Amino acid sequence: NAGVTQTPKFQVLKTGQSMTLQCAQDMNHNSMYWYRQDPGMGLRLIYYSASEGTTDKGEVPNGYNVSRLNKREFSLRLESAAPSQTSVYFCASSRPTNEKLFFGSGTQLSVL
Amino acid sequence: SQQGEEDPQALSIQEGENATMNCSYKTSINNLQWYRQNSGRGLVHLILIRSNEREKHSGRLRVTLDTSKKSSSLLITASRAADTASYFCATDWQTSYDKVIFGPGTSLSVIP
Repeated sequence: NAGVTQTPKFQVLKTGQSMTLQCAQDMNHNSMYWYRQDPGMGLRLIYYSASEGTTDKGEVPNGYNVSRLNKREFSLRLESAAPSQTSVYFCASSRPTNEKLFFGSGTQLSVL
Repeated sequence: SQQGEEDPQALSIQEGENATMNCSYKTSINNLQWYRQNSGRGLVHLILIRSNEREKHSGRLRVTLDTSKKSSSLLITASRAADTASYFCATDWQTSYDKVIFGPGTSLSVIP
């Protein structure tokens, strides 16, 4: 099994550009999450989806939108990228909604 | 506000010694989890302890939970150089168990 797959792995954007980070899991998990991690810091929750068709804001949702396309896929969109959004983004999924998260390998995003 | 805080921020020990790191949180929880992250990669789940449990073991790991003090500790016994990593606690919220929030982490260095 591939687990949690994130694309792309690296991305450089100019301020104001938009992009979508893709995440897919093949473990039939109900819950999916997007986190960002700034250098030397912990993970901050951006958005999460407890089940297909639902999404909720996390700790730092401003500047982001999400789509739970189906049970497998959960995308994160930056409509107008800002330098403050330079970070490593991690997608995760879990089956019982608040237990054992499985993480993707991350997307390193730089906004110039 | 952040759900979990970790202490110490950084810890350096000799191989073979025990490492203890602590996590505190602010609101009632259903469960608390510990994760490890190697060099900016995705996090790996180590252990989960539920709010009605006081202690749990997994190999060289021992986790305790004190709900009255809203704190947990992770003990790694007989540490190895391969244990060098960042360790994070994560909690849900009793009233919003879908939301899993991470603390800032403890950076552990095990010197051979």
